[in-house]
Amino acid sequence: ELKVEQNPLFLSMQEGKNYTIYCNYSTTSDRLYWYRQDPGKSLESLFVLLSNGAVKQEGRLMASLDTKARLSTLHITAAVHDLSATYFCAVDGADSNYQLIWGAGTKLIIKP
Amino acid sequence: DSGVTQTPKHLITATGQRVTLRCSPRSGDLSVYWYQQSLDQGLQFLIQYYNGEERAKGNILERFSAQQFPDLHSELNLSSLELGDSALYFCASSGTAPGYTFGSGTRLTVV
Repeated sequence: ELKVEQNPLFLSMQEGKNYTIYCNYSTTSDRLYWYRQDPGKSLESLFVLLSNGAVKQEGRLMASLDTKARLSTLHITAAVHDLSATYFCAVDGADSNYQLIWGAGTKLIIKP
Repeated sequence: DSGVTQTPKHLITATGQRVTLRCSPRSGDLSVYWYQQSLDQGLQFLIQYYNGEERAKGNILERFSAQQFPDLHSELNLSSLELGDSALYFCASSGTAPGYTFGSGTRLTVV
């Protein structure tokens, strides 16, 4: 079965701290995606990771991909309240017939 | 504006009724995907169309149907609505480059 597992599913942290969200997947994936969703809002694309060792950064967020370990991480540096949201990872590739397989999402609350 | 347009944004209807949700994909994108997201839940894939043809089906109920028209817009029809159908319905589109662009969603409330 094609699976994407995120952990933690819920994370409450203080502003200024660093933390990492993990995304494990079971497929031989071609591509890995990170999305952000604010409550009741749409999904905003954060990163698309296409190859082993890929690292992308945008502001306080950095995503990386290790295809051998089938693991992606989303690292938050010096968190600020505005980063509070739910973060989803998803993969697609030949194994899934190029359908997105989603993780359950990580609800991140950053307290001032 | 993501380039994917969904209408209406909000819909309130009674049980047993039928509604149609509309999606216009980003310019140049041939694939359209429909997702359902219930409160505080993940995304459930419903169905995909590519250039007018059904490409893949997910957990779509028999009461639900969809189509993609020659101008590439898509409609999701939900019939015999039940309270449990209340959810956010998202449309996404994709093209040749990796990535999926989501619309702002339609919030359906069945009362």
